[in-house]
This record gives sequence, structure tokens and C-alpha cells, in this order.
Amino acid sequence: NAGVMQNPRHLVRRRGQEARLRCSPMKGHSHVYWYRQLPEEGLKFMVYLQKENIIDESGMPKERFSAEFPKEGPSILRIQQVVRGDSAAYFCASSYSGDGNQPQHFGDGTRLSIL
Amino acid sequence: AQKITQTQPGMFVQEKEAVTLDCTYDTSDQSYGLFWYKQPSSGEMIFLIYQGSYDEQNATEGRYSLNFQKARKSANLVISASQLGDSAMYFCAMREGNDYKLSFGAGTTVTVRA
Repeated sequence: NAGVMQNPRHLVRRRGQEARLRCSPMKGHSHVYWYRQLPEEGLKFMVYLQKENIIDESGMPKERFSAEFPKEGPSILRIQQVVRGDSAAYFCASSYSGDGNQPQHFGDGTRLSIL
Repeated sequence: AQKITQTQPGMFVQEKEAVTLDCTYDTSDQSYGLFWYKQPSSGEMIFLIYQGSYDEQNATEGRYSLNFQKARKSANLVISASQLGDSAMYFCAMREGNDYKLSFGAGTTVTVRA
């Protein structure tokens, strides 16, 4: 499968724990985007990364949330000290370049549930 | 202000008929891109079709076509010959200027009846 791979598909955490969401972009893609989808809503942009660089994190909460895309390995979205309001589907997308006409291809998402 | 507006929360369509999903957008950029994605009940997001603001022809991809009316700022998706597998949530999204982030509408749920 050459598509965007996200894992885990489902993640359950208790309040106060840490959640780590992983995303491997499509082969040949070096641009990664993270989005969050609350129930019955469209996706909201969180952060845009290229290899080893955060380009835009304007959609990401300033506290508890961080993202990285190391030289080797998947992109990681990390949520520390999770709260109930963090329950959502988190989608990763990748594109070949940052050009506006390049579609972003999405993974299957990680459904995060906070108990 | 909402950048993407999808006014139809849910629609029913008979199998083999066509259905049109409305999408209007708001931007002051001359250069932008419009995308449609499908989200089945299994949850994944599937790219369907793209229309650039400078494209003169309406985009088509198989049974999907985009009715692009620039002056009205609308980018409606037309699904022809609906199939049961088309039942899903459909999202319209826009990318403005040199920006890379997509702004999504609230989505339209389509249910295809046999």
C-alpha cells in the first residue's frame, strides 16, 4: 500500500496521559499536514511540516500539542496531558510539493477517545 | 467568516440518478484551488476532484464532475449514475493563493437508495 499510513487507527487514553499519533506519508512526498475533525464537522488544519521543519503550526493549540517530522521515520503528533475535548479524529495528509494544485492525500485517520 | 459553505446537510438520491452537491466559497485571492473529498462511514478521506481558479474547463473524473461558476463563487459536485457505494459524507475544500492549508466545509451526507 503506497498510500498515507496512519497508526494507530483507534487510540484510547485516560485524562492526563499522553497520545502519540504516527503518520508515514506517501512515497516521494515530503510535505505533511495534520488536521483534526470533531464529530459532525469538517476538518480543521493544525500544522504543516516538511522534513525536519515546522512550516506552519498556526492551527495547533499552543499548549500540550507538538508535532515533528524527523529526517528518518514518520511524522508524530503528540498530545500531552490529554483532556476530554481532545477526543476527535486526527488526519494526516501528504503532498508531493506545496503547490496549490497538488491534492493532499489523506490517511485513514486516528480516532482518539479520552476516558 | 466561513470560507466554504455547504448548505445541504443531507441528501437522498435514487440509484442510477445524478445528484448535485452545493458548495460556495469566499476568497479575495485570484488564485485558488477547490477540492472535493469523500468520507465513507469507515472514515477515510478520499480525494475525488480538483478545480483550479484559472482552469477554463470544468474538471471531470469518471462519474464526478465539478460545475465551476467563478462569478457566483460556486463549485458544485455532480455525481452521475449514483451507486450504492456513493453513500458517504462529501466535503468541499479550498486552498487560497500560496497557502497550503485546506479549508473545509461542514460536509453533505449522501444516501443512495436502491
